[in-house]
Amino acid sequence: RKEVEQDPGPFNVPEGATVAFNCTYSNSASQSFFWYRQDCRKEPKLLMSVYSSGNEDGRFTAQLNRASQYISLLIRDSKLSDSATYLCAVAVAGNNRKLIWGLGTSLAVNP
Amino acid sequence: GAGVSQSPSNKVTEKGKDVELRCDPISGHTALYWYRQRLGQGLEFLIYFQGNSAPDKSGLPSDRFSAERTGESVSTLTIQRTQQEDSAVYLCASSSGQGIHNGYGYTFGSGTRLTVV
Repeated sequence: RKEVEQDPGPFNVPEGATVAFNCTYSNSASQSFFWYRQDCRKEPKLLMSVYSSGNEDGRFTAQLNRASQYISLLIRDSKLSDSATYLCAVAVAGNNRKLIWGLGTSLAVNP
Repeated sequence: GAGVSQSPSNKVTEKGKDVELRCDPISGHTALYWYRQRLGQGLEFLIYFQGNSAPDKSGLPSDRFSAERTGESVSTLTIQRTQQEDSAVYLCASSSGQGIHNGYGYTFGSGTRLTVV
């Protein structure tokens, strides 16, 4: 089983739709969680960190479910510009400061 | 600098030649990471430097790959005797010492696109 797993998609949704992605992780000692966005032929950019209590940034909401070992990203009122690949990344507690990456979920928002 | 800087942005090289890729991290970031991303694929970890500690080289795919970093400054990734399968985007990222446990994650450079012909 991979350490971090994502549904690769693609998710094809119309503008204005709400879409959600999950990312599961295998190590129960995982401590820090992130969602990154990667546009085609560009580098990944931090979208948001995921906090234990969940957090929201505009149309984006991130949640952490420790019991089931997954994080989620909810995008409301999808825009064409949200089309990208969404990567989740996980860090295990301790001195290791290396993120473990999922392979990404592809989202296409259609007019 | 304001961001992570990588050079060159594009490199075309002949099979068998050596290449050197450069990464200039964000000033003050103690951790530096190299990743490889083949077209349409995920991020493949290569090597990680943290301050003056011994680097984590566990991701280097062969002994043709090596990387150096002096202190907390510039890093170079060297690929010797390049092969066509080395063609990919090589991404560098940096983070502050506790950045990934304080919600800041990594900051990536824009990458070097390597094409081996």
